[in-house]
Amino acid sequence: EPEVTQTPSHQVTQMGQEVILRCVPISNHLYFYWYRQILGQKVEFLVSFYNNEISEKSEIFDDQFSVERPDGSNFTLKIRSTKLEDSAMYFCASRLNQPQHFGDGTRLSIL
Amino acid sequence: GEDVEQSLFLSVREGDSSVINCTYTDSSSTYLYWYKQEPGAGLQLLTYIFSNMDMKQDQRLTVLLNKKDKHLSLRIADTQTGDSAIYFCAETPTTSGTYKYIFGTGTRLKVLA
Repeated sequence: EPEVTQTPSHQVTQMGQEVILRCVPISNHLYFYWYRQILGQKVEFLVSFYNNEISEKSEIFDDQFSVERPDGSNFTLKIRSTKLEDSAMYFCASRLNQPQHFGDGTRLSIL
Repeated sequence: GEDVEQSLFLSVREGDSSVINCTYTDSSSTYLYWYKQEPGAGLQLLTYIFSNMDMKQDQRLTVLLNKKDKHLSLRIADTQTGDSAIYFCAETPTTSGTYKYIFGTGTRLKVLA
């Protein structure tokens, strides 16, 4: 069964550095999402993406965040200048209809 | 607001049934989901129910939906130690138009041998 894959599984970055989290959605899916889970907390919606543009974003998704689908297969989340509070698990998801299919996540640790 | 509420903890004995409850916010949500998360792992979809259904059964899992009260429950029959995990419910409010998920706060299920 096709899967959503995320790389890397764990990313350690110095505060203030830029980080790019990568996702390969399922190939025929059209809708893409990023979610965040701070340790011990619930999963929070960040952004949805459809037809090469952002369709909705949450209050968390401020100017330091951006998303891109550069080549028709990858879907990336960039955090421009990381802060300590960006430390979390980041999940990518994609769908054609319902439900969304989630990747295994990237654990981002900001030092 | 968009708070989906769950009780934080549930402890049951192996072999008993577990019932995990969820109160959601948007009465127009079309789909409601249950996910399982084991420590340090990703989100595993257990089951989901369309809003025009009251009940869905899938092997050991039974989902009950009360739209009037905006209440969703997950019953796990014959609970096993391998069921110990955090369980999240999620809704898809139609107000957003993107079918984003709003997750609940999560219920930590502990199964005692």
